[in-house]
Amino acid sequence: EDQVTQSPEALRLQEGESSSLNCSYTVSGLRGLFWYRQDPGKGPEFLFTLYSAGEEKEKERLKATLTKKESFLHITAPKPEDSATYLCAVLNSGTYKYIFGTGTRLKVLA
Amino acid sequence: DTGVSQDPRHKITKRGQNVTFRCDPISEHNRLYWYRQTLGQGPEFLTYFQNEAQLEKSRLLSDRFSAERPKGSFSTLEIQRTEQGDSAMYLCASSLLGQGNYEQYFGPGTRLTVT
Repeated sequence: EDQVTQSPEALRLQEGESSSLNCSYTVSGLRGLFWYRQDPGKGPEFLFTLYSAGEEKEKERLKATLTKKESFLHITAPKPEDSATYLCAVLNSGTYKYIFGTGTRLKVLA
Repeated sequence: DTGVSQDPRHKITKRGQNVTFRCDPISEHNRLYWYRQTLGQGPEFLTYFQNEAQLEKSRLLSDRFSAERPKGSFSTLEIQRTEQGDSAMYLCASSLLGQGNYEQYFGPGTRLTVT
């Protein structure tokens, strides 16, 4: 069964303190792995798609990487406005269903 | 703004009533997904459409849930005889299948409270 596990569940960082979020996955056929940011009471906002092991994508202070079993979202020198829940999802190439993890709640303190 | 829109944004209903939500996807997108999200959880797949065809429905969904996408444009999700356990955020997302990218874009959601 397809599964996505994110860790940690919650993370508190001081402003400027870099860290990484983990997304481990099992899927029968990976079409893509996706990262989203979700603010309270809002829909998820698309950040990155990764399609194959070794691929990396960057956007401002965020960098996503992918291996055959997991993905990392690296946050460099975070700011308070980076506080949000970060969701990871995989797309099964056979069913075209997106399977989401439960997210990592990030709080960046000024 | 040409993003995904959902209506209403909030709905409070009494147990046993029927509710219907609407989703307008990004205009050129041919795939439309419905999800349910509860506090502290990720979005849970409910169903999806390619154009007007409903391709899959979660086996977790009871027969009280039904979705339509007439003419392959907007979609509606109806919940009949609502129960307190139906209280959640209902999210709609759309994507364009066929050009090698599978990015999915979400609407703002409809928050349902069943009293």
